[in-house]
Amino acid sequence: NAGVTQTPKFRILKIGQSMTLQCAQDMNHNYMYWYRQDPGMGLKLIYYSVGAGITDKGEVPNGYNVSRSTTEDFPLRLELAAPSQTSVYFCASSYSTSRGNEQFFGPGTRLTVL
Amino acid sequence: EDQVTQSPEALRLQEGESSSLNCSYTVSGLRGLFWYRQDPGKGPEFLFTLYSAGEEKEKERLKATLTKKESFLHITAPKPEDSATYLCAVQVGQGAQKLVFGQGTRLTINP
Repeated sequence: NAGVTQTPKFRILKIGQSMTLQCAQDMNHNYMYWYRQDPGMGLKLIYYSVGAGITDKGEVPNGYNVSRSTTEDFPLRLELAAPSQTSVYFCASSYSTSRGNEQFFGPGTRLTVL
Repeated sequence: EDQVTQSPEALRLQEGESSSLNCSYTVSGLRGLFWYRQDPGKGPEFLFTLYSAGEEKEKERLKATLTKKESFLHITAPKPEDSATYLCAVQVGQGAQKLVFGQGTRLTINP
């Protein structure tokens, strides 16, 4: 199993450009998540999904969009990139449960907006 | 508002010098407290889940404990390979496992 994979690893965007961060998992997890991590800070939840076709906002959703057409993939779309979106983005997945199953994280995408 | 605070922000120890990291939380109904390890340039790696006050879990040189207001990650006789950032998170809400993270403690073990 590859686990959770993310592409690209690094990206530099100009202000106003758009891009999609890709995330895929091969563990047949129903739940998937997107987080951002700013320097010296913990992770903040952007969006999450409890299954194909179902998504919901997390703590910091503004400026982002997601879709979940398959169990495996959960792309994150940035429209009109802004310097405030410079961060490291992590995708994660977990089993369906109401309690305590671990989230498996991808290696992250480091995004810089100039 | 659900909040997680970790202390200290950074900790430098000599190899073999035991210590503890603290995670204080205020949440409306704790459904689980998680500890993760994060190495530079990598995603977090799961260590422990604790559910109720008084619970303890151990893994090699690490032991996590939980009270009604805080959790401790005890590190016994650490080695340089234990150097990492340790993240604490609490689960909030029903259904999906939405986590609120602390800012982390950056631990350095000198040989």
